[in-house]
Amino acid sequence: DAKTTQPPSMDCAEGRAANLPCNHSTISGNEYVYWYRQIHSQGPQYIIHGLKNNETNEMASLIITEDRKSSTLILPHATLRDTAVYYCIVSLGATNKLIFGTGTLLAVQP
Amino acid sequence: EAGVTQSPTHLIKTRGQQVTLRCSPISGHTSVYWYQQALGLGLQFLLWYDEGEERNRGNFPPRFSGRQFPNYSSELNVNALELEDSALYLCASSGRDFDQPQHFGDGTRLSIL
Repeated sequence: DAKTTQPPSMDCAEGRAANLPCNHSTISGNEYVYWYRQIHSQGPQYIIHGLKNNETNEMASLIITEDRKSSTLILPHATLRDTAVYYCIVSLGATNKLIFGTGTLLAVQP
Repeated sequence: EAGVTQSPTHLIKTRGQQVTLRCSPISGHTSVYWYQQALGLGLQFLLWYDEGEERNRGNFPPRFSGRQFPNYSSELNVNALELEDSALYLCASSGRDFDQPQHFGDGTRLSIL
């Protein structure tokens, strides 16, 4: 079973920041938080990952709480092309299987 | 940099047949993973290969098997196809560093008639 809990769906206005929450209250000290997204009929796309510190790349920012029990993925300026299912996954590292939950369907509205 | 490539993109088979799906990882990646995404069941881990060896296996019957070649490409074989094997089969690859993310291809859509 997935070790994460995400809201099933969210809406966001185009051009605004999208903040996607994820709860992972049973995360262990050596597990990473990974975020992927899947646009219909395509393979999951890697977005970002982190262990303890906040991370930022060209796609998004990842904010992990100090107790590591939850995190937020931030898309700073959402576009229509960001409409997708977003998956939050905790894993011991890339060389372990990823356990996907049901994710959050983000709908970016014009 | 080329991403993970999978072939074929679509495939139609009938019950009882056998199928082979192929995956080429990102250059420099040594690990290959296979996942199944069936309608209503989400993405489920199938197999992990690294350096030519099977490292981990998901909760799938033995008729699902595969291998990894010296160039790190991989094949997934499914024997005695059943209707419930209809799914999108996804391949991912990752590098040697511990926390490197898995990168996915766009999958092979397998339909069983």
